Amino acid sequence: DQQVKQNSPSLSVQEGRISILNCDYTNSMFDYFLWYKKYPAEGPTFLISISSIKDKNEDGRFTVFLNKSAKHLSLHIVPSQPGDSAVYFCAASALSLGNYQLIWGAGTKLIIKP
Amino acid sequence: GAGVSQTPSNKVTEKGKYVELRCDPISGHTALYWYRQSLGQGPEFLIYFQGTGAADDSGLPNDRFFAVRPEGSVSTLKIQRTERGDSAVYLCASSFYYTGEISGNEQFFGPGTRLTVL
Repeated sequence: DQQVKQNSPSLSVQEGRISILNCDYTNSMFDYFLWYKKYPAEGPTFLISISSIKDKNEDGRFTVFLNKSAKHLSLHIVPSQPGDSAVYFCAASALSLGNYQLIWGAGTKLIIKP
Repeated sequence: GAGVSQTPSNKVTEKGKYVELRCDPISGHTALYWYRQSLGQGPEFLIYFQGTGAADDSGLPNDRFFAVRPEGSVSTLKIQRTERGDSAVYLCASSFYYTGEISGNEQFFGPGTRLTVL
């Protein structure tokens, strides 16, 4: 039973436009969410996170939105750049339960077209 | 500063052999995690250390898998009697220990060890 789902295996976006990556979760006890970016043959790189007490967190070109009632989060990248081409993973944890392990989605491959 | 390092970067072994994978966390990080990632999937949690002790080993798939962190820094993941299904990328991550006063548990990953069991 997948607790974190990324339903789009891939996404293609024109350079300069907005990229929107989506993630859904089923466990209502998740209270901390993270986005990671991964290049081939490298480990995941932390991008941005959000606590369940917030609905938005912004860091430069990256913004994460959290909709708790829908159990949905999204990552917006604007403007998209060629170097953003990578696989993006969302992950969740239930810190209030003392669960520090991250539960991951399967990833979305983002391709930025020049 | 140095990030998380993992050795070896690649390991090819034969079915039934024993392997050890090493992880050096970021200096000052007290929490250390092991995950494994199969092709086309997200990482899967294996075990979490806070200091020297395994605080959560619920992700270890069976008793062939074992991990240690004797001095609270470097960790070794040990796999006995390897099977072809153990082939994956094994990822190590470290973080500060979440106390509730820190905003969250951002984990920082090494490059992984690609294990291939023939």
